Amino acid sequence: DGGITQSPKYLFRKEGQNVTLSCEQNLNHDAMYWYRQDPGQGLRLIYYSQIVNDFQKGDIAEGYSVSREKKESFPLTVTSAQKNPTAFYLCASSRGVWDSAYEQYFGPGTRLTVT
Amino acid sequence: GNSVTQMEGPVTLSEEAFLTINCTYTATGYPSLFWYVQYPGEGLQLLLKATKADDKGSNKGFEATYRKETTSFHLEKGSVQVSDSAVYFCALSDRMMRFGAGTRLTVKP
Repeated sequence: DGGITQSPKYLFRKEGQNVTLSCEQNLNHDAMYWYRQDPGQGLRLIYYSQIVNDFQKGDIAEGYSVSREKKESFPLTVTSAQKNPTAFYLCASSRGVWDSAYEQYFGPGTRLTVT
Repeated sequence: GNSVTQMEGPVTLSEEAFLTINCTYTATGYPSLFWYVQYPGEGLQLLLKATKADDKGSNKGFEATYRKETTSFHLEKGSVQVSDSAVYFCALSDRMMRFGAGTRLTVKP
């Protein structure tokens, strides 16, 4: 079955530590995205990538970093510079960003708790 | 910039009631419109979409019509079930996707 996997489902870290969230897709999609979801709020875009070795900042990139070394993988690192990292993180992919009709496919999410 | 406004929740209905969740948008150009659904602890799933004015998207008994004249994309279902309890997100895409804040629906037996 094609889809997006995120691991782990729950992640706990101490303040001051960097943490990397995994996202893998086997849909052969060119574009991948990271969103942050806080309780009662919509999704806010952190970073997106249109193609391997290229990525762009979204609306709330500060304190986060990404890489796109393979088409299938788009890991997100939450750094110690992120002031409020506790949130639900969603990874998504789509065929591309050049056509507004392309829907995004989402992974199951990772809930990060930093104490 | 492009944005989506959807009705605030939570919405609580009895089983078999009629559902409407309002969604209006602001956009330049000709965006595509989407409804996504999120069940507890999961990611979002595409429910339906419409890519041009007057298009109607439909899936699993849910419908929404792309109304350019009223800049709206309201979600409707004629008879809701307990299993429809979830958070519903309206979204707009003009290459980048913009999501509404979500509307939580609870359906009681």
